[in-house]
Amino acid sequence: QVHLQESGPGLVRPSETLSLTCSVSGYSIGSGYYWGWVRQSPGKGLEWIGSMYHAGNAFYNPSLKSRVTMSIDTSKNQFSLKLRSVTAADTAVYHCTRDDYGDLYYYDYWGQGTRVTVSS
Amino acid sequence: IVMTQSPDSLSVSLGERATVNCKSSQSVLFNFNNKYHLNWYQYKQGQPPKLIIYWASTRVSGVPDRFSGSGSGTDFTLTINSLQSEDVAIYYCQEYYTDLRTFGQGTKVEV
Repeated sequence: QVHLQESGPGLVRPSETLSLTCSVSGYSIGSGYYWGWVRQSPGKGLEWIGSMYHAGNAFYNPSLKSRVTMSIDTSKNQFSLKLRSVTAADTAVYHCTRDDYGDLYYYDYWGQGTRVTVSS
Repeated sequence: IVMTQSPDSLSVSLGERATVNCKSSQSVLFNFNNKYHLNWYQYKQGQPPKLIIYWASTRVSGVPDRFSGSGSGTDFTLTINSLQSEDVAIYYCQEYYTDLRTFGQGTKVEV
């Protein structure tokens, strides 16, 4: 069974960088699929942030693209999200996902989610 | 693209039918595979979202057959026949057609 688990600080100060990591078990992320992030905030509901392939190809939500960087570490079976210049609007529960882009086009596995609050 | 769900919430008696609607502001039909790229997710409190329907009407393996998806064009429906207590959740539709991959605002289903 594929399992995803997010980790990272729960509190980030405004204008700083939010950094999260997703650890994957039950599947080698270098074997395929895209790996991504979706967040849920009270004001905007569920919002796709971006997805990345182990070979480096990445897609980002155009509304966040200028502030987002994703990376993958196949040796650790982890992938990461960095969101720069955060504001209160970035306060949300962040989920990592397995993204079946190119085949069935859905997110079939999700992490439990980690709550991130942006506040001074 | 805007995905609009209705209603925002509904209360259904156990054993009765729940119907959730999702309307997209543009077509989500992919010409290359002739499939509607419309997914449904179930989001229960304290759990990660769960994919239940993809391609508008294909049920994920293991999902009870009381869940069904239908629709075409820009109008889609998630139907839960014979609602069970474990079906209490927020249900989201999502388009996987544009580069925004927009979710609907969610419909809360209660008993």
